[in-house]
Amino acid sequence: DAKTTQPNSMESNEEEPVHLPCNHSTISGTDYIHWYRQLPSQGPEYVIHGLTSNVNNRMASLAIAEDRKSSTLILHRATLRDAAVYYCIPGEFTDKLIFGTGTRLQVFP
Amino acid sequence: GEEVAQTPKHLVRGEGQKAKLYCAPIKGHSYVFWYQQVLKNEFKFLISFQNENVFDETGMPKERFSAKCLPNSPCSLEIQATKLEDSAVYFCASSQSSLRTDTQYFGPGTRLTVL
Repeated sequence: DAKTTQPNSMESNEEEPVHLPCNHSTISGTDYIHWYRQLPSQGPEYVIHGLTSNVNNRMASLAIAEDRKSSTLILHRATLRDAAVYYCIPGEFTDKLIFGTGTRLQVFP
Repeated sequence: GEEVAQTPKHLVRGEGQKAKLYCAPIKGHSYVFWYQQVLKNEFKFLISFQNENVFDETGMPKERFSAKCLPNSPCSLEIQATKLEDSAVYFCASSQSSLRTDTQYFGPGTRLTVL
């Protein structure tokens, strides 16, 4: 399983961009990089995933380093609802998700 | 349905009692996963199913935990003779396929408290 390193916590003000980093230096060549988040008292929810190229969806953008050893989840304008724990999960050739400890994002009005 | 449903929301058991948790995956999803979240941020994968067949059970404690996904019934996770350390939130997730890129949709969880 690829090991991940994420900051324990980050803070942002509402409507500002947030960049959440993740190091996954042991990622294998064919692993995707998934991001999930867990809002308070809820189950995790999918945010975005990518392989090599940067990806955008309605929730966020994912920037993947050229060597794939790190990635950054970008929330373009943080809202109070984005306060959650964000998990970066490299995907092996199995179905299970291996969660690390994640980054707790606080958003201030 | 369009959401993963889990019942009950809360479950309290005395040590040594049995606990049974249920999960109804999203209609049309073939894969079901069970995860245990002991502390706020620590998840552990338990088991996954492809339809009614066990797909991956590498995370299952063999002695007291069992799980089933039978046709036309909610999936279940059963803990015989619960222990204090089984206190956790148990999440079920479902997905359409086994592809690495496929999204897992999580239910709201069942909080098990063992006293």
